[in-house]
Amino acid sequence: EDQVTQSPEALRLQEGESSSLNCSYTVSGLRGLFWYRQDPGKGPEFLFTLYSAGEEKEKERLKATLTKKESFLHITAPKPEDSATYLCAVHSSTGNQFYFGTGTSLTVIP
Amino acid sequence: DAGVIQSPRHEVTEMGQEVTLRCKPISGHDYLFWYRQTMMRGLELLIYFNNNVPIDDSGMPEDRFSAKMPNASFSTLKIQPSEPRDSAVYFCASSTRTGAANQPQHFGDGTRLSIL
Repeated sequence: EDQVTQSPEALRLQEGESSSLNCSYTVSGLRGLFWYRQDPGKGPEFLFTLYSAGEEKEKERLKATLTKKESFLHITAPKPEDSATYLCAVHSSTGNQFYFGTGTSLTVIP
Repeated sequence: DAGVIQSPRHEVTEMGQEVTLRCKPISGHDYLFWYRQTMMRGLELLIYFNNNVPIDDSGMPEDRFSAKMPNASFSTLKIQPSEPRDSAVYFCASSTRTGAANQPQHFGDGTRLSIL
C-alpha cells in the first residue's frame, strides 16, 4: 500500500539551530516528491520537486534531498519566519495517485 | 497570476443543508484537485480532473459528495445533505504536466466549512 510518513510531528528549534525533517515513503513507482510549506489559514505553498534518488534542491535556508526510501528537508540556521507546517507529497505511478503526509509543525523560537 | 481562487472562504451551515464550494484554477492548468484537510487525517485527495474530466474519485467519502467541472475555469464540490463530520477545510489545487510527471500543485487558500 502506498504511504507517506513524516517525522517528527512537531519540532521546536532555537533561532539558528539547524535540523532536518524526514519524509519516508512506500510507493511502487515514484513520479515525483514535493515539499510544501503551510502557514495557518493558508493553502500549502510549493517549495521543491525531486524526481530521482540523489537529487538535491536548495532555496535560501532550505535544502531538500531524496533517496529511494525517504526525503529530508534540511533547515540551516532557521529564523522565526520559518515557523510553519511542512508537508511532503508523492506522485505515484500506481493509479496515478497523489499522497500527502500529515506534516511537521516547525516552531522557531527567537 | 491570480492563483487558485476559492469561494467562499468560510461557510457555516446547519446539518442537512446543501453546501457548494467553488474553485477557479490557474489559467492554462489542465489538472484540478479537491482535497479535504482535518487535524486527524491531514490532507486527503477527494477527486481530480484532467481536461475537465473526472479521472479518480476514489477519495470521495460518500454519495453525498459530488464534484463537477463544466469548463476549464470553474469547478464545484457539492455536499448534500451535509453532516457535522464533514466539517473541515476544503482545498482546491491546480497543476499542469510535463511528460510523465505532474508539475507542482498550486493551492487556493481553502474553504473552512463548519456544519452545526
